Parts: sequence; structure tokens; C-alpha cells
Amino acid sequence: GAGVSQSPSNKVTEKGKDVELRCDPISGHTALYWYRQSLGQGLEFLIYFQGNSAPDKSGLPSDRFSAERTGGSVSTLTIQRTQQEDSAVYLCASSSQRYEQYFGPGTRLTVT
Amino acid sequence: GEDVEQSLFLSVREGDSSVINCTYTDSSSTYLYWYKQEPGAGLQLLTYIFSNMDMKQDQRLTVLLNKKDKHLSLRIADTQTGDSAIYFCAESITGGGNKLTFGTGTQLKVEL
Repeated sequence: GAGVSQSPSNKVTEKGKDVELRCDPISGHTALYWYRQSLGQGLEFLIYFQGNSAPDKSGLPSDRFSAERTGGSVSTLTIQRTQQEDSAVYLCASSSQRYEQYFGPGTRLTVT
Repeated sequence: GEDVEQSLFLSVREGDSSVINCTYTDSSSTYLYWYKQEPGAGLQLLTYIFSNMDMKQDQRLTVLLNKKDKHLSLRIADTQTGDSAIYFCAESITGGGNKLTFGTGTQLKVEL
């Protein structure tokens, strides 16, 4: 079946602009995660959605970052007033069980 | 706190076995994972082990867990050029929503 998909695959934006990154999880997966991969920080957890529960936002680096998950499926990660340090690959993962996470191909964000 | 460490680089000859090592510090780890990342791609789940297990074998892959020393290893038998990639170990914590803490990644280079 289809895996996790993310769009866009690449995004170049100017410093100060807002960006939205999209994740389509595997159908039926109730859990959805966002991670960030950057040269300086490695792979970092950002936010986690599980069903209808309140999301775990403990990994979001600043209040410029937010995410929502509509209808328990598609998720959007929004970064407001982007900074150069936001440049990274943003990875989405989904899971139907509590111990297997399947990752999408990522969105490479470049802030100029 | 959570901290996962790996050596940065490993080079092996085709046909040899590769052993990639990982140490972690959080004794509450529930599951430990190995992911593979090829250039420009997302993370591929290779295998995982529950923390009450010592070993898990899956075709060419063998995972060994020494919980006392908080040491995890991944052995790849008969390493092929297609195994060249970055390998990440990761841990998840009980009650943590299964969010993953990743190691720094080990780049495996397979030479002919």
C-alpha cells in the first residue's frame, strides 16, 4: 500500500516568510509524528498526535512552530517568520501500533 | 536524560560482516530501533527489539541488546554495496508516546 507522503519535497523561502509543510500518513494510522533533521542537531522530535488526544508539543523549538492534524489524518506543520536556523529536512512518520513508525521522504526546507 | 551515541563511520569490504554499535543512557527505554537512510531518502525501519529481549535475528540482520551496559548493536551479515547508507539507532521511552530519540548516525561504506 501507499506509504507516508510529504509535500513539497523541497521548499526555498525567504527569511521572515511563513511556510506550511504537509504530511499524509498511511491510511488507518492513528499516530503521527514530526521530526527535524539538521546538520547541527541531528534528528529531533518535534510533535506527536495520537487519535483525538491533545498533541505532545514538547519538541517544538519555538512558538513560531505549530502543527495541526485535521480529521485524524493529514497534518500540516507551520513555521511562521522563518529563520535561517529553520533550514532542515522535516520528516513525518505514522504508526498504527505503538512501536513501529514509518517515515515519509521528508521536505527539505531552505531559508535564504 | 536521554542520550544516544554512535560511532560516525564504518568501512567494510563486500561480503564481510558489519557491526554498528550504539549506546544509550535512559534505562526506561522500551523499544530500540535501527533505521537506514540512503542519500536523499527518508528513514527506513530495519528492525527493532523490545527491551526485555537479548537478541533478534531477521535474515541478514542480527540485533544484540546488552541492557546492563545499555549497548545495542546491529550486525549485517554478507554486507553488500546496497547496504551503504547511514544507520541510526533510536530509543523510545515508556509513557513517552513512543517518540523517538535518535543517535547521531553511523555512515557505512561498503567497498568492493
